[in-house]
Parts: sequence; C-alpha cells; structure tokens
Amino acid sequence: DGGITQSPKYLFRKEGQNVTLSCEQNLNHDAMYWYRQDPGQGLRLIYYSQIVNDFQKGDIAEGYSVSREKKESFPLTVTSAQKNPTAFYLCATNRGLNEQFFGPGTRLTVL
Amino acid sequence: EDQVTQSPEALRLQEGESSSLNCSYTVSGLRGLFWYRQDPGKGPEFLFTLYSAGEEKEKERLKATLTKKESFLHITAPKPEDSATYLCAVQEWGYGGATNKLIFGTGTLLAVQP
Repeated sequence: DGGITQSPKYLFRKEGQNVTLSCEQNLNHDAMYWYRQDPGQGLRLIYYSQIVNDFQKGDIAEGYSVSREKKESFPLTVTSAQKNPTAFYLCATNRGLNEQFFGPGTRLTVL
Repeated sequence: EDQVTQSPEALRLQEGESSSLNCSYTVSGLRGLFWYRQDPGKGPEFLFTLYSAGEEKEKERLKATLTKKESFLHITAPKPEDSATYLCAVQEWGYGGATNKLIFGTGTLLAVQP
C-alpha cells in the first residue's frame, strides 16, 4: 500500500528542546518537501530535497534542519533556535514537476 | 511579489446550492495551478492540476477552470461531505526552467449545511 507516513501525529516540546519529525514514503518519488501551516496563512516551504544527499532551504528555514540519507526518508528537526515552532507540519513528495502528495501531518505544540 | 489570493475566505452553502471559489494569482510565468482539499487536522488531498488558460478538469461535483489571471473551482449541487478547506497553489517557471516550489493561497473554508 503506497503512501506517505508522518510520525508522531502529535508532539509536545519543552522550551530549549530539539525535536525530530519523521516522514517516510514508499511511492518511489525523488523529491520531498516540508511545509509549515499556521491558522490564516498559506502553507510555507521549510526545506526540500530533489535527490538523496542534497536539500535546499525554502522560505522559512531558520531554526530547522533536515537530512536526506535515503530516498524514502526526509526527517525534519525543529531546533531550539526556532522561536515559534507551534504549528501543523506537513511532508509532501512528488515525481518530476508533477503534483505534490501530502502526508497526514504532525501537530507540534510547545509547552 | 508573486502572490496567490483565494476568495472568499469562508463560504456557507445550503445543500444543493451551487457556487464558485476563486483563486487569483500574480506570477511571472505560470507552469501549473493545483487545487487541493483539506479536512480538519489532515493533510491536503490533491484534486486537480491545470496548465493552460481555457483548460477545465472535472471530478464528481467539482469543476476547475483556468484563465490567464485566475482559476475557479465550481461546486455543483454540493453535499455536506464537500465541507472542507479548498487550497490553491501555483507553480511557476524559474530562471533554469520550471521549479518545484509551490506558492499556496490561504484557502477557502466551505461549509455545506443539510
């Protein structure tokens, strides 16, 4: 059953903590993306990767880091440098320049 | 600055009352326009891709159209299960060719009452 999985569904972070959000896909898509969604705002691109071992900053990369060691996986770390991390985080994939498909999302809350 | 604007922000319809959602865009060169549906607490679900002015796509009660400046998502005889947020995104041509980056609008929240 092909798809995109994100875990955990809900995540709570204390001040000063780094947390890592998981995104895994078995669609054999080359490109993977991380977006952040806040109420009243459009999805904003954090990082994207078009090939293994390569990734580029999106529009709001400060305070985040990623890695792409395997085609199937693109984890996002929210560091303590991200001052306002509470948001809904979405992972997406696509092949070539076609439509992006999204995972179910992770809701991160800072305590 | 490249922008995508969706209107209205929210729309309430009675079941069976047809209407349209608007997505207007200003980009230097449009490569593709995408419509998504998003239910609360879930990831967006892909609906349509449109590439050129005059193009139309249909799926059940939904029809998407594209002009040089905007796209419409027409909903015919909606049902309560069509209630969701509808997102529009554009993909533009970059200096080296098409880019993978999408510019999203803020969405239209549609509520269909029985």
